[in-house]
Amino acid sequence: EDKVVQSPLSLVVHEGDTVTLNCSYEVTNFRSLLWYKQEKKAPTFLFMLTSSGIEKKSGRLSSILDKKELFSILNITATQTGDSAVYLCAVEADYGQNFVFGPGTRLSVLP
Amino acid sequence: NAGVTQTPKFRVLKTGQSMTLLCAQDMNHEYMYWYRQDPGMGLRLIHYSVGEGTTAKGEVPDGYNVSRLKKQNFLLGLESAAPSQTSVYFCASSLAGQGHEQYFGPGTRLTVT
Repeated sequence: EDKVVQSPLSLVVHEGDTVTLNCSYEVTNFRSLLWYKQEKKAPTFLFMLTSSGIEKKSGRLSSILDKKELFSILNITATQTGDSAVYLCAVEADYGQNFVFGPGTRLSVLP
Repeated sequence: NAGVTQTPKFRVLKTGQSMTLLCAQDMNHEYMYWYRQDPGMGLRLIHYSVGEGTTAKGEVPDGYNVSRLKKQNFLLGLESAAPSQTSVYFCASSLAGQGHEQYFGPGTRLTVT
């Protein structure tokens, strides 16, 4: 059975801290791994990773994939209160016909 | 472009009632998906469609039906609502094939009493 696990499930930090969110997976026919940020409503896209070892970066956020060990991390440096959200990891399988989501990590950034 | 839109935004049903949720996208995407999101469980795929006139079951299809008569629309039907179907429903779309992100609609909060 396809499975995506995220850790921690919940995290509380203070502004300026650096956080690392983890995502591990077991899926058949892996195609890509995606990270989304979900605030109050719809998830919004952050990164798509398809190759091992290549870091993707956007501002204070970065992510990397390890296809041998079947995991990915999402780093956020110098956190801000606006980073408070649920971060979802999803794995695309079967040529885009199946996306398996993890339960999400709820990040709270305190001022 | 509006992106992905969903109607209605909120709905309360009594057990046994039926309803249809509408998803529309204006990005000419081939693939469309319906998910439900419950606390602590992430998003679970109900049904999906890889093109007009085709649909397929996802992880949790029981109690739901779908139709994709037009490329831009994907309808999710509940024939006889049950309290277990109380959830937030998200529609998403993507370009065909692998390696494309999904774009999500704003969600529909459904309560079944």
